[in-house]
Amino acid sequence: EIVLTQSPGTLSLSPGERATLSCRASQSVSSRYLNWYQQKPGQAPRLLIYGASNRATGIPDRFSGSGSGTDFTLTINRLEPEDFVVYYCQHYGSSYRTFGQGTKVEIK
Amino acid sequence: QVQLVQSGAEVKKPGASVKVSCKASGYTFTGFYIHWVRQAPGQGLEWLGRINPNSGDTNFAQKFQGRVTMTRDTSISTAYMELSRLRSDDTAVYYCATLELLPVFDFWGQGTQVTVSS
Repeated sequence: EIVLTQSPGTLSLSPGERATLSCRASQSVSSRYLNWYQQKPGQAPRLLIYGASNRATGIPDRFSGSGSGTDFTLTINRLEPEDFVVYYCQHYGSSYRTFGQGTKVEIK
Repeated sequence: QVQLVQSGAEVKKPGASVKVSCKASGYTFTGFYIHWVRQAPGQGLEWLGRINPNSGDTNFAQKFQGRVTMTRDTSISTAYMELSRLRSDDTAVYYCATLELLPVFDFWGQGTQVTVSS
């Protein structure tokens, strides 16, 4: 089973800045099966990016994903107040799912 | 519209079992796996397993093998997750979700709070 490690644990930034979140896999994964979720307090997670770089329906274009192999990145351009929440990467395995431990983006 | 509606909050004693339901609507229930994910207070997301509503086949995370059961009732489009031998560290919000990509079909229930306390 693939282990996903996210960094940093917490990212302190100001509105309008760019956020760069990292997700590293314990072994190479197909980019088709690496996804990113956003979770706001008290809510279920929401799919942001699938297949490493494809925005899910309704996701603003300030969110983008990239990467391959073992290293993947979620970039949020021009942070809006509602973006200061928690983000998880996820691996879509053949018969399982695994999540990274999350990165919290907080207001500096 | 697609909805997954879960049963209400539960309080259980250590050693007991809990059974959470997830009623699907707005799509063909047998067309997509139902996954179960939990989140302990202040912690991240943890995948427990999944069930194929069509066949009833299941896959579980190794950590929960032997302690979790997943079933479904296709006549009422409902999936169930039962966790036995509860411990205090099973206290969490339990979500059902579809988590499918091919095609993209990613929907979540509202979550069920399970509290384990003596």
